[in-house]
Order: sequence, then C-alpha cells, then structure tokens
Amino acid sequence: VQLVESGGGLVQPGGSLRLSCAASGITFSSYWMHWVRQAPGKGLVWVSRINSDGTNTIYADSVKGRFTISRDNAKNTLLLQMNSLRAEDTAIYYCARESTSSLAFDIWGQGTTVTVSS
Amino acid sequence: EIVMTQSPATLSVSPGERVTLSCRASQSVSINLAWYRQTPGQAPSLLIYGASTRATGIPPRFSGSGSGTDFTLTISSLQSEDFAVYYCQQYNNWPSMFTFGQGTKLEIK
Repeated sequence: VQLVESGGGLVQPGGSLRLSCAASGITFSSYWMHWVRQAPGKGLVWVSRINSDGTNTIYADSVKGRFTISRDNAKNTLLLQMNSLRAEDTAIYYCARESTSSLAFDIWGQGTTVTVSS
Repeated sequence: EIVMTQSPATLSVSPGERVTLSCRASQSVSINLAWYRQTPGQAPSLLIYGASTRATGIPPRFSGSGSGTDFTLTISSLQSEDFAVYYCQQYNNWPSMFTFGQGTKLEIK
C-alpha cells in the first residue's frame, strides 16, 4: 500500500504547477482523497478533498479559485493543479487517503516540495 | 470554522515517562477527532481515530480520550520513536472541513 507524490519544484510567483499522487496496493477508486500541506517548520494544513468518483470537491479558503483537485481512477492517480502561486504556498504537499470506516487519514504519501520564489 | 488548539506547544520528557497531550476544539466535534504522529523528515501517521480507537498496528501505550471539545492523548511509557510532533484533527463537519491543531512537540529532556 503506497502513495507517491511527484511534480514539486521551484516556481515563480504567479506561476503554475501540477502535483501527482500515484497509488498502488489499494483500490484507489473506492476512496476519497485529500491534499495536506506543511510550510517549512510549521504545522499541517488541510488543502482539498475529492470524493471517490471525482464528482465532488472542496477546498480550503486559502486556495479556493486557484487550486483544482482531480483524479484519474483508471491510472490510480490523484492530481492537484496549482495556479497563481504565491510565496505562502511554499510547503511540502502530502496526499492522503481517507479511511472509509474512520474518516481519518490512514495512509499518507512521503510528500513533494513546492517552493514559490523569484 | 472550527479551531483546534493544542497544549503545550513543546513538552520535555524523559524516555519511559508517561505523558498527556491536550487538544481543545472551539466548538463540539463529538468524537470526530484523530491524532497523528510526525517524526522528523517523515509524513504524518495515524495513531487514534474516533477520539479513542487505536489505528491498525498502534501499540497499547497510546490511548485517546475525550468528547465534545476536550481531548487528550496519553503515551504511557515513552519510547525513542515517540519523540516527535503530535497533531490532533477534527472531521466533525465531514465532508467539509478537516482542521488540524498546531501540534505538540515532544522532546527529550
């Protein structure tokens, strides 16, 4: 059972980046999925959630209108399209699986680092 | 928005000691509360859900309690891997918001 994020990097303010989270060892299409971020030296902040078939999404106010969460169940992949990036979006971005029984986040990826700087 | 407040921010303890961490919600979250542990350089991992149920593979030295607005995580005998940062998270207004506390860091005395 594994989640592996990719796509992080250095981007200028106002730029865009797309993060991916590849799932293996799980029936990906059965689970709601989340993105959580952690700024350097700071705590965890929930970013976005998508339901199992991709028809319902929600966002934290801080990213609403700039970030788009989506998924490709055929490819077992979760995506986060990030536009109009700001310095305050600099963070490690984790994908996480929401447990169907507990609703807590029971599996996490190792994270991918996004740095927004000129 | 529900605000989660953890205390203390940092706790200095010795291996083998018993420790209790606190988490308070700005409004009732029933028992929709989880605890996570994050060791340096690693992703968080689930310890407790439903305020008091240990996640799969979590040893019995970890116990959670509380309901409503006040919650605690107790570690009965600290092991080396327990020196980490602990976060509480509410998911009471599922499927809308999933607020984390700011974390409590356990450091070696």
